[in-house]
Amino acid sequence: DAGVTQSPTHLIKTRGQQVTLRCSPKSGHDTVSWYQQALGQGPQFIFQYYEEEERQRGNFPDRFSGHQFPNYSSELNVNALLLGDSALYLCASSEPPGNTEAFFGQGTRLTVV
Amino acid sequence: AQSVTQPDIHITVSEGASLELRCNYSYGATPYLFWYVQSPGQGLQLLLKYFSGDTLVQGIKGFEAEFKRSQSSFNLRKPSVHWSDAAEYFCAVVLTQGQNFVFGPGTRLSVLP
Repeated sequence: DAGVTQSPTHLIKTRGQQVTLRCSPKSGHDTVSWYQQALGQGPQFIFQYYEEEERQRGNFPDRFSGHQFPNYSSELNVNALLLGDSALYLCASSEPPGNTEAFFGQGTRLTVV
Repeated sequence: AQSVTQPDIHITVSEGASLELRCNYSYGATPYLFWYVQSPGQGLQLLLKYFSGDTLVQGIKGFEAEFKRSQSSFNLRKPSVHWSDAAEYFCAVVLTQGQNFVFGPGTRLSVLP
């Protein structure tokens, strides 16, 4: 079992650009959540996808959007990048309906310059 | 305000010494409680979780945690720390099944040889 896999592991973008991050959930999991972890802070919830729909959303602007595919993999898109978007982006997968245990990927380190 | 607090930003212990990391939450009802560990540049690994029942829970790597309802606390302990335990530790809660994780700010653990 490969667990939760994320790609890419690192990337550097310029302010104003757009970025897409990808996540493949753990086998058997159909719910994917995304978290942003700024340096020195705990992860902050962005949104959760289940059955290809956004089910929950944290306090993030509309520049942050996502998608879930029929194979349960997911993308996180961020438009009009700001310097403050520099962070580690973590993907977590889980099984509904309980969803009280999540497995996290290694994250994508995004640096905006 | 509803929150998860970890009062200690950074703790240093000697190898072989005991460890206690503090976590408090402020919510009306008892949430589901978790401890995660994050090594530098890595994702999050679940150490242990509490849903209900016995208030002393055992986790991986020799860690345990005790839930105290009266203190709204869920402190993490280890009787003898190993150098490999040096990492960032996050306490997290889930308020209701299916909801997102809310993480504390984390405690960085350093281990002296």
